[in-house]
Amino acid sequence: TQLLEQSPQFLSIQEGENLTVYCNSSSVFSSLQWYRQEPGEGPVLLVTVVTGGEVKKLKRLTFQFGDARKDSSLHITAAQTGDTGLYLCAGAGSGGYQKVTFGTGTKLQVIP
Amino acid sequence: NAGVTQTPKFRILKIGQSMTLQCTQDMNHNYMYWYRQDPGMGLKLIYYSVGAGITDKGEVPNGYNVSRSTTEDFPLRLELAAPSQTSVYFCASSYHRDSPRTNEKLFFGSGTQLSVL
Repeated sequence: TQLLEQSPQFLSIQEGENLTVYCNSSSVFSSLQWYRQEPGEGPVLLVTVVTGGEVKKLKRLTFQFGDARKDSSLHITAAQTGDTGLYLCAGAGSGGYQKVTFGTGTKLQVIP
Repeated sequence: NAGVTQTPKFRILKIGQSMTLQCTQDMNHNYMYWYRQDPGMGLKLIYYSVGAGITDKGEVPNGYNVSRSTTEDFPLRLELAAPSQTSVYFCASSYHRDSPRTNEKLFFGSGTQLSVL
């Protein structure tokens, strides 16, 4: 079973601060996705990265896929209260999306 | 735009009872999934289906059953509910094609919070 460990597990920061969330594995993934989940709702896809070393930006969010395709990071610049939520990384193997492995999650609270 | 619809939103069961969690999607997606989410454990795949009439076990299938008689519907059946099945259940769907895969994503329902007491 492929495992994806996320760190930190919990993060509470002031509005305007920067933060980085990490997603690490010993396994190689063909692609990696980041989802955000708000209370009482299902996860919503933020981004998919597929190439080792790839960097994608989504407004104040920057996503990076590790060169070896085993890890990823999510950096948020100048966090806002609307960024509060549970962030999940999900890695896909070569067998299609039934083989997606979800990370353990990072719960982010942005305090005004 | 309905997307993926799950019912019920909340349910309390007694040990040994059975129930069916309903899931329907209106996006004509071929793949459908059931996950459970426990605190600090991420999402674990229970069952998945690659098309009508085809289902397969995921990582944690024990105690559950599924069927996929139509493209739209993918109900999850709990037989003889146990406290270990207390969790939040999510149904998801995706449109899978062999190539290219870069834009494929999972669409999730809003979840069913189940407590077994």
